[in-house]
Amino acid sequence: KAGVTQTPRYLIKTRGQQVTLSCSPISGHRSVSWYQQTPGQGLQFLFEYFSETQRNKGNFPGRFSGRQFSNSRSEMNVSTLELGDSALYLCASSLGAGNNGQPQHFGDGTRLSIL
Amino acid sequence: GENVEQHPSTLSVQEGDSAVIKCTYSDSASNYFPWYKQELGKRPQLIIDIRSNVGEKKDQRIAVTLNKTAKHFSLHITETQPEDSAVYFCAASRPLNSGYALNFGKGTSLLVTP
Repeated sequence: KAGVTQTPRYLIKTRGQQVTLSCSPISGHRSVSWYQQTPGQGLQFLFEYFSETQRNKGNFPGRFSGRQFSNSRSEMNVSTLELGDSALYLCASSLGAGNNGQPQHFGDGTRLSIL
Repeated sequence: GENVEQHPSTLSVQEGDSAVIKCTYSDSASNYFPWYKQELGKRPQLIIDIRSNVGEKKDQRIAVTLNKTAKHFSLHITETQPEDSAVYFCAASRPLNSGYALNFGKGTSLLVTP
């Protein structure tokens, strides 16, 4: 079974631009979660999607948004980029049904650098 | 919300020794506790997990213990090897809305020296 795939692996943007990141979950997984990883803050939860609906959202500004398609693939968008948005963005997929925690499997991430 | 504290932030052991990493959580509704290993430049990988109805789980050289009353859980690695060197993250999952929220500790950088 193919793992979680994230594209692109690396991105360089400038302040004020916007960016879209993509995540394809493991086949059969319906939940996709997004995390921001930085050396200072560790892994911080951005949002989670299940069956094309955002179920939960972390404490990030509205510049961070996402969506999920009918095939469970997910995209994350960041608008009006700031220097502080430089980070590794990870997505993780799980089977997803119900509200008991389940194993999440991570992709390799997208390394976003803001100049 | 949930708050997960992880200690120590760095840990250095000699090959063959044991390593213990401890985490505490704040929300008593948390019911699932995974541990991830992240090697430099790689994705976090799930190495072991435990549910709230279990007190201990073991998989070869790694084990996890959970004390629900005290709200803490620990990762134990025995007979450490240099390839165990990595950053280890604990996490706690609690029901939220119709799904669940997974909160991570800040990580422990483990160095195993030959």
